[in-house]
Amino acid sequence: DSGVTQTPKHLITATGQRVTLRCSPRSGDLSVYWYQQSLDQGLQFLIQYYNGEERAKGNILERFSAQQFPDLHSELNLSSLELGDSALYFCASSARGGGENIQYFGAGTRLSVL
Amino acid sequence: SQQGEEDPQALSIQEGENATMNCSYKTSINNLQWYRQNSGRGLVHLILIRSNEREKHSGRLRVTLDTSKKSSSLLITASRAADTASYFCATGPGGYQKVTFGTGTKLQVIP
Repeated sequence: DSGVTQTPKHLITATGQRVTLRCSPRSGDLSVYWYQQSLDQGLQFLIQYYNGEERAKGNILERFSAQQFPDLHSELNLSSLELGDSALYFCASSARGGGENIQYFGAGTRLSVL
Repeated sequence: SQQGEEDPQALSIQEGENATMNCSYKTSINNLQWYRQNSGRGLVHLILIRSNEREKHSGRLRVTLDTSKKSSSLLITASRAADTASYFCATGPGGYQKVTFGTGTKLQVIP
C-alpha cells in the first residue's frame, strides 16, 4: 500500500459529461502529480501541485483542470468528455516537489467514456 | 515528448534468466529512477541512481548509469514469474523540475 488514495476506482460515463477524480496524498507529502495512461500513449504527465500551488504543467487539455486544497488533497476535473479520454488516471505524491523525490502512486481511477 | 526511451519495448524470458532493459535520455539529469508497474496498477519505485554514481544494487536489481552516453540499464537477475510487469525509467533534472517518465519495457517471465 503506497499510502496514496484515489477515488473512485472505476468510473463509467457518457460523452459530453463531467467527472471529478479525487486523490489523497501520503501523510506529510506536499506535492501531487496527475498522470494519464492509455494503451497507445504510455504514461502522460498532466500537472503537478506543490503545497496548493501549480508547479508544473504537462500535456493537460483545456477541458481538464485540477486543484490542490489546503488539506493537500487534490481533484482532477475532466469536462466535455470524449471517447479518447478513456484511460487510467493516476495520482502520485512526493515529499517535496524536487526532481529527486520518489513518487508514490495511487491505484488509479479507470475512466470509461461511452 | 518523453525524456526517457526504454529499450526493448517488450521482453520475454524464462524464469531464472536475467533480464536487461535500457533507458536513454536526452538532457542533463540529476538522477534517474526505475519504477515497476504491474498490469493496471500504480507504479512502484524500485531504485534511484544519482548522476555522480555509476552503479547501484538493490537485491536482485542492478542499475548502471552512463551520463556520457545518456543511458541507463536495469538488470534483474534470476528472474521470477512475479517480475512480470512493465518497467519505466524516470529522469530528474534536479531542483524543482518534474521527473519525466519513459515509455516503458514490458517484461514477461515465463514459469
